[in-house]
Formats: sequence, structure tokens, C-alpha cells
Amino acid sequence: ELKVEQNPLFLSMQEGKNYTIYCNYSTTSDRLYWYRQDPGKSLESLFVLLSNGAVKQEGRLMASLDTKARLSTLHITAAVHDLSATYFCAVDPGTYKYIFGTGTRLKVLA
Amino acid sequence: EAQVTQNPRYLITVTGKKLTVTCSQNMNHEYMSWYRQDPGLGLRQIYYSMNVEVTDKGDVPEGYKVSRKEKRNFPLILESPSPNQTSLYFCASSLIPGLIETQYFGPGTRLLVL
Repeated sequence: ELKVEQNPLFLSMQEGKNYTIYCNYSTTSDRLYWYRQDPGKSLESLFVLLSNGAVKQEGRLMASLDTKARLSTLHITAAVHDLSATYFCAVDPGTYKYIFGTGTRLKVLA
Repeated sequence: EAQVTQNPRYLITVTGKKLTVTCSQNMNHEYMSWYRQDPGLGLRQIYYSMNVEVTDKGDVPEGYKVSRKEKRNFPLILESPSPNQTSLYFCASSLIPGLIETQYFGPGTRLLVL
């Protein structure tokens, strides 16, 4: 059974600090997605990572994928309050089914 | 505007009363999917569809039905809702998975089954 685990589940951090969210998955997959969800809102796509070693950056967020380690990271640089949200990773193992992690709830304190 | 719409956005019903949640997309996407979101469990896929008349089960299909008679619409049917189907439901669409494409999510439908 494919499992996708994120950690931490909750993260409270000060503005200006750096931190990393980890997404581990249990089976082979070349495609990994990161989404953001604001409270009471829908999911918004952040990154699509398609191959081993892929790195994507948008503003203060950078995502990477290591398919050999079955690990993706979402790195936050110099956090700001606007980044407070829940972040999900999702894996598509090539079966047209998407498996989501449980989410990381990030709170950035001013 | 490219979007995925869902109706209703909020629904309170009673056990056993059939209901349908509609989902429609205007992006000509082949792939559509339904998810439920529950605290601590993330999103779990209920059903998905690769194209018209092609549907398949996700991880939690029990108690749900879907149909895909038109490319743009993918309704979710609860024939006999039960309290354990109280949840937040999202519809999503994309081009066929495997392309450089992500899913676009609808606004969500919050369902309470009494």
C-alpha cells in the first residue's frame, strides 16, 4: 500500500526563519506535487516535480525531489506571515490515483 | 475564467436521503476526481475518471457513486448517506496524468449527515 508521510504535522515558526517540510513516500514515483491550502479555502498548486533531482523555486519556497530516497522537501526561506497555510504533498505512482500526505500546518508568527 | 465549480457549497442532510454534489470544469480536461478531506487524514481519493464513460475507484469508494456522461461534468452521488460521510469534499480536474500538469481544485462542498 502506498503511503505518503509528511513531517512535521504542525510547525510554528518565527518570521525570518528558515525551515524544511519533508514528504516521504513508500513506492516508486517520478511525479510529486505540492499544494497549499489556506484556512477554509481550496487547494492551490505550488510545484510539480517530475524527475529525480528536480528543483523548483517560487519566492520563498523551494521544492526538491529525490526519487531514489523517495523524499521531497519544501524549504521555506525567511518566512513571512503570508506563508501561514497547510501544505500538502501528493504522489502519482503512475496508476492515475493520487495519494496525498496528511498535510503540514504552518503558522508563521510575527 | 478557467475554473472548477461545485454545488452546493454547504449541505446538511439526514441519514439515508440520497444526494448529489455536482462538479463542472470549463478547461476541457480529460481527468476528473473526487476527494474527501478529514482532519488528520489529508485528502483521500474517492473516484476518478479518465474520460467520458471511464471511471474507477480511488482509495475510499464505499458508499459513493459517480458518473461521467459529459466531459465537463462529474457528479458525486451518495445513495444512502451515513454520518461517517460527513466531510469536506473536493472535485478536481486536470489533463491526463503523466503530462506536465497539476490538478485544479473546486471550492469544496461541506457535507453534514445527521
